Amino acid sequence: KQEVTQIPAALSVPEGENLVLNCSFTDSAIYNLQWFRQDPGKGLTSLLLIQSSQREQTSGRLNASLDKSSGRSTLYIAASQPGDSATYLCAVQGTYNFNKFYFGSGTKLNVKP
Amino acid sequence: GAVVSQHPSWVICKSGTSVKIECRSLDFQATTMFWYRQFPKQSLMLMATSNEGSKATYEQGVEKDKFLINHASLTLSTLTVTSAHPEDSSFYICSARDRTSGPEGQETQYFGPGTRLLVL
Repeated sequence: KQEVTQIPAALSVPEGENLVLNCSFTDSAIYNLQWFRQDPGKGLTSLLLIQSSQREQTSGRLNASLDKSSGRSTLYIAASQPGDSATYLCAVQGTYNFNKFYFGSGTKLNVKP
Repeated sequence: GAVVSQHPSWVICKSGTSVKIECRSLDFQATTMFWYRQFPKQSLMLMATSNEGSKATYEQGVEKDKFLINHASLTLSTLTVTSAHPEDSSFYICSARDRTSGPEGQETQYFGPGTRLLVL
C-alpha cells in the first residue's frame, strides 16, 4: 500500500527566505505527483503536477522536483511571502488506479512578516 | 478554470440526524467524482468513487450504508451521512474529474472547497 510522508509537519520562517518542503512515497509505481495548497477551512488548490517521466516543474517562485526511483519529491519556494502561509500537501496518483490519490499529511507553513 | 462547488460549506446537526452534502461541477461534465474526508491535522483519505449512473465504489473500512452516494447527473454527486454521530464530524471534500481534459488516466481532477460537518 502506498504511503506518503511529508517532512516537516510545520515550518515557520521569516519573510524572504527560500525554503524546501519534502515528500516521500513508498511505492515508486506512480503515474504522477502533485503539490497542493490548502488554506484553513478551504479546499485544495493545485500548484504543480509532475508526470512520472518528468524530473521537475516550475511555476513562478515554485519549483517541484521528482526522483521516482528514490521515492522523493521536494517543493522549493523562493523568496517566501506572508501570503504563502498555508498547508502544503503532496499527493501521488497510482499507476494501477488512476482514481486514487494518496495524500501526505501536509506541511503547515507560516511565513512571518 | 474549472470549478467545483460544494453545498453547504458547513453544517451543524444533532446526533442521529442525516446530512446531505452536494458536489457540483460548474462548467464541465464529470462522469467520476470522488469523496474525501479529512480529520484535524490528518491527510485527506479517499472514501468513495462516485460514478454517474452506477453504484459508488467504497474504500475499505468505509460503511456504504452510512455514507450514501448518489451521482444522478454528470454535474452532481451527493453524499448523505445517515444517522450522524460525533465521530463523523470532519471536513468532507469532493473532487471531480473533467473527462475532456486529457486522455484516459490523465484527466485533471478539480477539488471542491469542502464541507465542515459538526455533529453534536
